[in-house]
Order: sequence, then C-alpha cells, then structure tokens
Amino acid sequence: NAGVMQNPRHLVRRRGQEARLRCSPMKGHSHVYWYRQLPEEGLKFMVYLQKENIIDESGMPKERFSAEFPKEGPSILRIQQVVRGDSAAYFCASSPTSAGRETQYFGPGTRLLVL
Amino acid sequence: AQRVTQPEKLLSVFKGAPVELKCNYSYSGSPELFWYVQYSRQRLQLLLRHISRESIKGFTADLNKGETSFHLKKPFAQEEDSAMYYCALNNAGNMLTFGGGTRLMVKP
Repeated sequence: NAGVMQNPRHLVRRRGQEARLRCSPMKGHSHVYWYRQLPEEGLKFMVYLQKENIIDESGMPKERFSAEFPKEGPSILRIQQVVRGDSAAYFCASSPTSAGRETQYFGPGTRLLVL
Repeated sequence: AQRVTQPEKLLSVFKGAPVELKCNYSYSGSPELFWYVQYSRQRLQLLLRHISRESIKGFTADLNKGETSFHLKKPFAQEEDSAMYYCALNNAGNMLTFGGGTRLMVKP
C-alpha cells in the first residue's frame, strides 16, 4: 500500500494566482481530511470529506478556499487568489471508515509558498 | 471547544536519560488521544493511541482524566528518538485537534 499521496510536494504561487493541491487517500479509504500547518504552529483542521460529500468544513476559511472529493480521482483543495498568509504546509489524511474514531494516516504534505 | 496544549516547544536530553513530553487537553466529552511523531523529512505517523494502551519504541502514555493530561514517556532516550512530537485529540466528529508540537533532541 503506497500510503496517502499528495502532489505537488512544493508549490510556488504569486499573489492572486490559484493553488490546487491534490490528495489520493490510501487504498480502501473513503474519508479524507485536510489540515494546515502555519510556520511554527501545530496542524489545524480544515475540512473532512467523504466521496462526493463535505462532512465538516468548520475549519475552512469562509472565502477563497474550497475542497472536493469526487467519485473518481483525488481530493482537491483549491485556494483562489492566494495571499502571502496562505503560505503553509497543507497535509491530507485518510481513514477507512468513520465508525468510532479511526486512526488517520497522513500524507507527506504540500508546502505552499506565496510570493 | 477542545484544546490541546504542549507547553514545551523544545526538549533536549542526553542519550539514556528519561524523557517526558507533556500534553494537556480540554474537552467536555470522552476524549480519544494520540501521539504522532514526525522524523526529519518524513511524514507524520501515529506513535500510539491511548485506547490501545500499548508501548511503541519504548514510549508509553497514560491518560489521566483527573489532570486532563496524556504525557508521553520513555525511560531511556535514544538518538533516533529525535523528532517532532504532536499530541492530538479526536472528537466524536473525527476532527483531530493538535497541540503545537514539541521538538525532542537527544544528544549523544
């Protein structure tokens, strides 16, 4: 099992551009979570998705950020009109089910730098 | 609202010394707590969870509901234990709340 895959690993954008971050969960996992880690801080929950459904987006900024997990293909975290404050590491995690509190397995992260 | 606090950003010990990484939490429900570790240039990985009550790589952690703590301990630190350690709480909705992390440095 290849584990959770994220790409790109590093992404550089200029202010105002769009950033698209991809996450492929572990095989057999249907639950995806996105976390953001700002410099010198811990990981902060952003959004929890199942296939074609957003379950909890309480950690998502109200504007410019969106996430999806389509029936086919990876989960996408999209940031429109990026600003310098969006520079961070974005981690994706997956779990097999939502029954109880399943262990979440993390990807290597995407480090976004906004110039 | 839940919160996880790791009071030490950096903990430096000598090889063979005991180590304790502190974690305190606040949560109104019945918590499930985890320790994750991130070695240099590697992804975050689960070290242990309180519900399994196991010892991994010599580390143990006991949930103390009275003190709302879940400190991570190891009696004899090894150089390969040097890493970032994150304490995390899972609420009933599957959201993980992380502490700020503690960098453990084990000196030879």
